[in-house]
Amino acid sequence: EAGVAQSPRYKIIEKRQSVAFWCNPISGHATLYWYQQILGQGPKLLIQFQNNGVVDDSQLPKDRFSAERLKGVDSTLKIQPAKLEDSAVYLCASSLGPSGGELFFGEGSRLTVL
Amino acid sequence: AQSVTQPDIHITVSEGASLELRCNYSYGATPYLFWYVQSPGQGLQLLLKYFSGDTLVQGIKGFEAEFKRSQSSFNLRKPSVHWSDAAEYFCAVGEDNNDMRFGAGTRLTVKP
Repeated sequence: EAGVAQSPRYKIIEKRQSVAFWCNPISGHATLYWYQQILGQGPKLLIQFQNNGVVDDSQLPKDRFSAERLKGVDSTLKIQPAKLEDSAVYLCASSLGPSGGELFFGEGSRLTVL
Repeated sequence: AQSVTQPDIHITVSEGASLELRCNYSYGATPYLFWYVQSPGQGLQLLLKYFSGDTLVQGIKGFEAEFKRSQSSFNLRKPSVHWSDAAEYFCAVGEDNNDMRFGAGTRLTVKP
């Protein structure tokens, strides 16, 4: 069974530029999550989707971050404009549902903002 | 607000020695508690999960964790560490898979 796929694995941009990350969850997983992991810290939930609807985006900096999951499968996380403090690994995870089961994480996309 | 504290940033143990990683949490209701492992360049993998029932939870790779409500703790243990256990370990608390809050992690180094 294929795992959670993310791309790109690495991205370097300058501040004020924009960047987009893509996530393809495990087939059949209705719930998709984006986490931000800053160096030396644990992952922080940015947004949670149930199918193509947003369940929780309370910690998403909406002035610069946006995410969508239009067809309830793939998802894109965008940052525009990027700030230095956005340098982090962006982790995508998926699960069958919001209750029970296990979260499966992708390998992450490492963003460096110069 | 819910939070997780992992007091040890870095722990070094000898191969074959026992291991205990500490985790303390703050949560308003009865939480789900998790331990995840993150190896270099890889995604997080669930080691074990607790919500109710027996307070000693068995996980994968020979790990176990004990829930102590009176101490708000959920410490991870392994009787004999292998070199392949070297990784970053994260404790997390949440409402099942929702609103999961992670600790800052404990990096485990295994000496030969």
